[in-house]
This record gives sequence, C-alpha cells and structure tokens, in this order.
Amino acid sequence: GAVVSQHPSWVICKSGTSVKIECRSLDFQATTMFWYRQFPKQSLMLMATSNEGSKATYEQGVEKDKFLINHASLTLSTLTVTSAHPEDSSFYICSARNDQDQETQYFGPGTRLLVL
Amino acid sequence: AQSVAQPEDQVNVAEGNPLTVKCTYSVSGNPYLFWYVQYPNRGLQFLLKYITGDNLVKGSYGFEAEFNKSQTSFHLKKPSALVSDSALYFCAVIWAGNMLTFGGGTRLMVKP
Repeated sequence: GAVVSQHPSWVICKSGTSVKIECRSLDFQATTMFWYRQFPKQSLMLMATSNEGSKATYEQGVEKDKFLINHASLTLSTLTVTSAHPEDSSFYICSARNDQDQETQYFGPGTRLLVL
Repeated sequence: AQSVAQPEDQVNVAEGNPLTVKCTYSVSGNPYLFWYVQYPNRGLQFLLKYITGDNLVKGSYGFEAEFNKSQTSFHLKKPSALVSDSALYFCAVIWAGNMLTFGGGTRLMVKP
C-alpha cells in the first residue's frame, strides 16, 4: 500500500521547451500532494503544496508561472516546467499525503530532468 | 521555526555491527518525527514515524528509532547492519501542522 508513481523517470529536453511531470497515488486518495526539488548531495527543497481542486501554494522564491501545478483529481498532480532552462535541471520528487493518514507523506521515485 | 539536524554527513559501519544515525530537532511542543531512506536516483521510502505513545518505534527493514524528549533526539538504529542498508537517510519533522522539514541527510556506508 501507499505507492506513489512518477512519470517520466527521466527526461532530456532542449532549452525553451516545457516538460510535464505526473505524480500519481496508486492505491490511496490524496487531497494534498507536494513537489520537491533535490540538488546533488543535498536535502529536499519544498517547492509547492498541491491541493486538489484549488490553487497550489508555492514556497518563497519559487516562480508559480515557471512551475505550473495542476491537481485535478484525488490521485493525480502534475508539475509543468515551462520554458525550461539548463538551471532547471534537477531531480524532482513528489509526495502524497494519504487522506486516511494525515501525518505521513509517501514519496514518488523522482524524475530527473536534464535541460540542454 | 521548526528545524531538524543530522550532525553526521556520513556514517561508516561494518556489516553485522550495530548502526546509529543521529537526528536532533528544534521545536517546542509535540513534534511528529519521521525517518526516510533514499537509494541512488530514487525517491524517498518511508521507514518509520513517531507520533505519540511508546518512545521506541519499530519500522521497516529492521530499523527502529527512539524518541527522547529531554534530548530532543530521534536517532535511527539497527542491531545488525547489512551492506544493502547503504543509502542516504533523512530525518524529518512536522510540528503544529507545518510542512515536513528535512534534515540535511546522512549517508550510511556499510562495508562487508
């Protein structure tokens, strides 16, 4: 139980293109999902909190027009990196909080983005 | 503000020996504490959590952690380390409905 998937696991794109990353909770409902970014050998940095049916809440310093978040259902949140640039290259990890267990976040396997 | 510290960047242990990965937190009140493990190029896997109750919490893969309120610590332990335990371990805290805050991570290296 409590499985979270992310797709794609790897993506390489040209500078200026947009990339969409999907995060799905496979066996539970998640009103709230989270998007993190992790730089090499560093801890996770929370980018935004995604709430089903409402606007995402972005952390300070994260551009909401750059990182578009949509949480259209209780099992799916998407992060779109718009007009990607090389500095957006990173490891993006989502997590989902089970509606039945509000304390614990379950993490996806991550998506590695490389912008050329 | 809530914070969590992992004082060791890396812990080296011989296979079969006990291991400890340290974590201290800085919040007032009653925190929720978590341990996650991350294998290379993977997301985080939930190991265990402390919410309330018994201070000794048992989790996945034989890991356990002890909540010590007086020392504001939540160290991760395992009686006998395996080479396959080698990974990056993160301690995290939630307090008063705030966001999950992670420590800097500790790399565990178990050598055969």
